Formats: sequence, C-alpha cells, structure tokens
Amino acid sequence: AQSVTQPDIHITVSEGASLELRCNYSYGATPYLFWYVQSPGQGLQLLLKYFSGDTLVQGIKGFEAEFKRSQSSFNLRKPSVHWSDAAEYFCAVGTGNQFYFGTGTSLTVIP
Amino acid sequence: SAVISQKPSRDICQRGTSLTIQCQVDSQVTMMFWYRQQPGQSLTLIATANQGSEATYESGFVIDKFPISRPNLTFSTLTVSNMSPEDSSIYLCSVAGFGGGETQYFGPGTRLLVL
Repeated sequence: AQSVTQPDIHITVSEGASLELRCNYSYGATPYLFWYVQSPGQGLQLLLKYFSGDTLVQGIKGFEAEFKRSQSSFNLRKPSVHWSDAAEYFCAVGTGNQFYFGTGTSLTVIP
Repeated sequence: SAVISQKPSRDICQRGTSLTIQCQVDSQVTMMFWYRQQPGQSLTLIATANQGSEATYESGFVIDKFPISRPNLTFSTLTVSNMSPEDSSIYLCSVAGFGGGETQYFGPGTRLLVL
C-alpha cells in the first residue's frame, strides 16, 4: 500500500539557517510527489511538485526538493530560512486521483 | 492554478445540528475532493465529489453523515450532519484536473467547532 512518512514531527531552526525536511514514500512505481505548506489558519499552498525529468525541482518561496529514487525520498530544502516560513509542511504522493499525505512537519523559526 | 473559495470560513455549532460547507472554483475542474483535518493532524480524504452522480466515500465515511452535492463543474457542498464535538475539524475542499493535471489545489478551509 502507498504511504508517506515524514520522520520529523517538529523542527526548530534559526532564521537564516538552512533547512531540510524529510519525506519518504512507499509506492511501486514513480509517483507524483508534492510539498504543501499550511500557515496557521490557512489552507494548503502548493510549494512544488515532481512528475518526471530533472530530479531537482524548484518551487515558490525559495524552496527546492530532490527526488531520489534509490532512497524513495523527496526531501524539501531551503538555503536560508525566513521567519515567515514558520508553518506546517506536508509531503504528498499522488497516484492517479488519490493523494496520500504525510503527517506533517511543524517548523519553528527562532530569531 | 484555480482560485478556490469556501464558505463559511469558520463556524461554531451546537451538537445535533448540521452545517453545509460550500466550495466554489473559478474554473471548470474535473475532480473535486473533500478532506478533514482534525486538530494537529494530517489530512484525511472524506470523499470525491462526482459531477452528476453520487460521491465516492472513503472507508469510515458515510453519505448519511457527510452528504455531498456537485451540481456542476465549479461547485460542491459538503454537509456535516448531526454534529458531535468529534466533528470539530478543518474541512478542506480541493480540486484537480485543472488544465488536465494531477495536482490538487486547496481551498482555504472551513474551521468548525462543535459544542
């Protein structure tokens, strides 16, 4: 069965530091992969997606993610975090019209 | 991407009552979905809203509790019936098939508190 694992429930980083949020998936083929961000009191906003091609994808707000087939991973990165990046981040796998979400990683940014 | 709106944005309801949540998209879309996000949790798919036919419900969700309508390609409603405090959640509408793609785009959510 398909599944998405985000091992880190909560991460705290200093403003200006780099960030990596981990995502591992279980699926028999290459799935569609997504990262969403949810700010407090808001809906989910798409940060980036991977369907095929270049395994390093660029998204909005300075985020990027790298698909590694051998590790079944799709980790999200940002070189320099801003205080406004504090939010909940969800990794998702899409197969056909089904989406499977991870449990989310809560990011706190300290000054 | 599509612009998705939901009404109401939040509500406080008494147990035993029902609330209907509306989802409006600014473009015709193939697929519309309803999710529940309980406090501090991830998203759980309630059902796929099918235009012109009955919604497809996920395991653990039933039509009597969560009736869904989808009268056209830009609008859907979700009703939370006979509410209990356990129904306190964020309810999110999403759409896919916009421009033929697989990506799901989400509405801002409806925050429901049942007393």
